[in-house]
Amino acid sequence: GQQVMQIPQYQHVQEGEDFTTYCNSSTTLSNIQWYKQRPGGHPVFLIQLVKSGEVKKQKRLTFQFGEAKKNSSLHITATQTTDVGTYFCAGQGGTASKLTFGTGTRLQVTL
Amino acid sequence: DAGITQSPRHKVTETGTPVTLRCHQTENHRYMYWYRQDPGHGLRLIHYSYGVKDTDKGEVSDGYSVSRSKTEDFLLTLESATSSQTSVYFCAISDGYTEAFFGQGTRLTVV
Repeated sequence: GQQVMQIPQYQHVQEGEDFTTYCNSSTTLSNIQWYKQRPGGHPVFLIQLVKSGEVKKQKRLTFQFGEAKKNSSLHITATQTTDVGTYFCAGQGGTASKLTFGTGTRLQVTL
Repeated sequence: DAGITQSPRHKVTETGTPVTLRCHQTENHRYMYWYRQDPGHGLRLIHYSYGVKDTDKGEVSDGYSVSRSKTEDFLLTLESATSSQTSVYFCAISDGYTEAFFGQGTRLTVV
């Protein structure tokens, strides 16, 4: 079945440093979504990427979808303490199909 | 926030007893999902539904069953709870094409 892996599992940065998490799927995806979960909270949707090679930005966050539609990345520029949380990617193998989540990357930011 | 509620929010139960968790939505979304979240494993799909009485297994379905007799309700049942099913359970809803919305989660402890 479809598997989605993320690396690293955990990263600790100082405020102002950059952060990147990578997502890899065992199968080609129709789209990939990214979510953020604050400690003690539930996952909250950040963005969806659909097209091969697509790049989207949200303020300090940059999301990429690979050319083969099997991998993706999330890059945060100049991290802030408000970025703390776990970031998940989630892929769909086909339109309107089940959503498979990655293993997540926990980000810790200290001053 | 999207109209999705989980009940109960917390439950402690004994090994061998049946347990049912409920997910209720007011968004009329077609897809409903049950995930479990454990440290180091991210969000793992247990079962999902793509319509009334239409359900399918996820990657960790053993020991769990589901039912969806109405669009708005998706029930997750642990037939005979075991300690390995101690976890945080999240329900999510989606139209199948865009973002998923998560409930607040149910913390289940099996003693």
